Amino acid sequence: DAKTTQPPSMDCAEGRAANLPCNHSTISGNEYVYWYRQIHSQGPQYIIHGLKNNETNEMASLIITEDRKSSTLILPHATLRDTAVYYCIAPGGSARQLTFGSGTQLTVLP
Amino acid sequence: SAVISQKPSRDICQRGTSLTIQCQVDSQVTMMFWYRQQPGQSLTLIATANQGSEATYESGFVIDKFPISRPNLTFSTLTVSNMSPEDSSIYLCSVERTRGPDTQYFGPGTRLTVL
Repeated sequence: DAKTTQPPSMDCAEGRAANLPCNHSTISGNEYVYWYRQIHSQGPQYIIHGLKNNETNEMASLIITEDRKSSTLILPHATLRDTAVYYCIAPGGSARQLTFGSGTQLTVLP
Repeated sequence: SAVISQKPSRDICQRGTSLTIQCQVDSQVTMMFWYRQQPGQSLTLIATANQGSEATYESGFVIDKFPISRPNLTFSTLTVSNMSPEDSSIYLCSVERTRGPDTQYFGPGTRLTVL
């Protein structure tokens, strides 16, 4: 697994975009970047993943830099229900085991 | 996404006893995993539950302490044996789906407290 680095916590105002950064400078060429989140007392929830190109789904957008050393998860209109710990993971091309780091505690403020 | 259920959702157990946690998926899946989340910590992978063969354990976890069964493609159990207060954690199962090679869907977790 590539090592990922995330800020321990962030705040965001409700209705504004939440931009969560992740550094994965040791990522290899075939490693995807995955984002999960864990709302308090629940199991982690898959959000999005990407390899090289930017990705968007119904939950979020993922922006990956051209050198692939960092990425940003964007929640375009954060709500109070988006308050959670967000994990950025680069599990490796052949490994299925997810290694969860400390993640970023996002708090959406009313 | 998969619908995953776990039983029990929570339990309080005495030191030295064992607890078996069940994980049921609404469709057949190839890969099932068991994780532990200690209080205030992130998730740690315990083992991969293989259908028809012995589970594959991560470093620091052994079969005698965490025996796992996987009788079919929709069900698995994790037993926490000879429990101590240090085993107090949330135990989660997850499954891999075809959305991506490492995309996993997690159950709601079992909150275990050992007195």
